[in-house]
Amino acid sequence: DAKTTQPNSMESNEEEPVHLPCNHSTISGTDYIHWYRQLPSQGPEYVIHGLTSNVNNRMASLAIAEDRKSSTLILHRATLRDAAVYYCILRDYGGSQGNLIFGKGTKLSVKP
Amino acid sequence: EAGVTQFPSHSVIEKGQTVTLRCDPISGHDNLYWYRRVMGKEIKFLLHFVKESKQDESGMPNNRFLAERTGGTYSTLKVQPAELEDSGVYFCASSQVGGPPTDTQYFGPGTRLTVL
Repeated sequence: DAKTTQPNSMESNEEEPVHLPCNHSTISGTDYIHWYRQLPSQGPEYVIHGLTSNVNNRMASLAIAEDRKSSTLILHRATLRDAAVYYCILRDYGGSQGNLIFGKGTKLSVKP
Repeated sequence: EAGVTQFPSHSVIEKGQTVTLRCDPISGHDNLYWYRRVMGKEIKFLLHFVKESKQDESGMPNNRFLAERTGGTYSTLKVQPAELEDSGVYFCASSQVGGPPTDTQYFGPGTRLTVL
């Protein structure tokens, strides 16, 4: 079972920032926080990941709480193409399991 | 660089028939994963290859599913005989071996399987 909790859906207006929350209260010291998204009719795609510090890349930013029990994916300016299901996933690098465990994710709708 | 490709994109078969799905990973990726989403459910892990070896097949639902990766390149997933509950979208992903971000998984577009 997924070890994260996300809202089922969120709405945003185009060109506005979007903050997608994720709770992971049982996170362990060896868990990295990964975000993937799935655009309609496509396979999931990697967005960003982090361990303790906030992270930025060309797609998004990841803000991680100091206690690591929650994180927020930030899309700085939402576009119509960002409409997707966003998954927050914990990956444990302390063991040998390499697969991703998907939850229900957050369905993001972007209005023009 | 070519991404992960899957064939066919869509397959419609009758219950009891056999179907073989194919996945071509990104060149040089030793890790290959199969996942599937059945109607209304989350994406679930099926199995993981490292090169030609099965590293983890704990997600395979039953012995009607057989995955192979001969030569450590492309992989096939055979369902024989197919049942109605096997309908869904089957995704393949590949990654390099290593820690983050090296082991980022890249997904194919999926094969939509419909069993009638």
